[in-house]
Amino acid sequence: LAKTTQPISMDSYEGQEVNITCSHNNIATNDYITWYQQFPSQGPRFIIQGYKTKVTNEVASLFIPADRKSSTLSLPRVSLSDTAVYYCLVGALSGNTPLVFGKGTRLSVIA
Amino acid sequence: NAGVTQTPKFRVLKTGQSMTLLCAQDMNHEYMYWYRQDPGMGLRLIHYSVGEGTTAKGEVPDGYNVSRLKKQNFLLGLESAAPSQTSVYFCASSYSGTGVENEQFFGPGTRLTVL
Repeated sequence: LAKTTQPISMDSYEGQEVNITCSHNNIATNDYITWYQQFPSQGPRFIIQGYKTKVTNEVASLFIPADRKSSTLSLPRVSLSDTAVYYCLVGALSGNTPLVFGKGTRLSVIA
Repeated sequence: NAGVTQTPKFRVLKTGQSMTLLCAQDMNHEYMYWYRQDPGMGLRLIHYSVGEGTTAKGEVPDGYNVSRLKKQNFLLGLESAAPSQTSVYFCASSYSGTGVENEQFFGPGTRLTVL
């Protein structure tokens, strides 16, 4: 499994766009990228997943450059309720090896 | 549709006691997982199952056992609890283990304290 590196913590003011970058230099050809969000005292929940270029849903956008050695989760106009830990995971498109959660990035949104 | 449920929500054990945590899902998922999360840490995979009757070890399996006798249930057992097993335990399930259908759905967690 590709090792991921992401910032331990980030702060942002309400209404700003937040970009969290994850490095995965040894990502394999058949690996895809998934992001999860975890609020305090809750289990993580799936946010977005992608293989290359850009993916957008109602919650976030995921930008993946051509070399796929990094990815950026973009949260538009954050609010206090976006305060959470965000995990970047890299996993294979086939096989049974489970994804590995790292320590994630703790995002604090300030009023 | 309850999703993933965990029983109990809280538990306090004395060192050496045993207990079983129950995870149930009603989404007909093949894969189920048990994680532990210590303060300020990410989730670490204890054991997982890729289908009824199967189990496999994760990153930190020592001191735990699991069983998947029914597709909808995944049990985590502690035979002789130790203070190092004080943690929050999360169960999750997914339709598959890879690809776009591997989204994991998590339960609310069980907070276990071992004295």
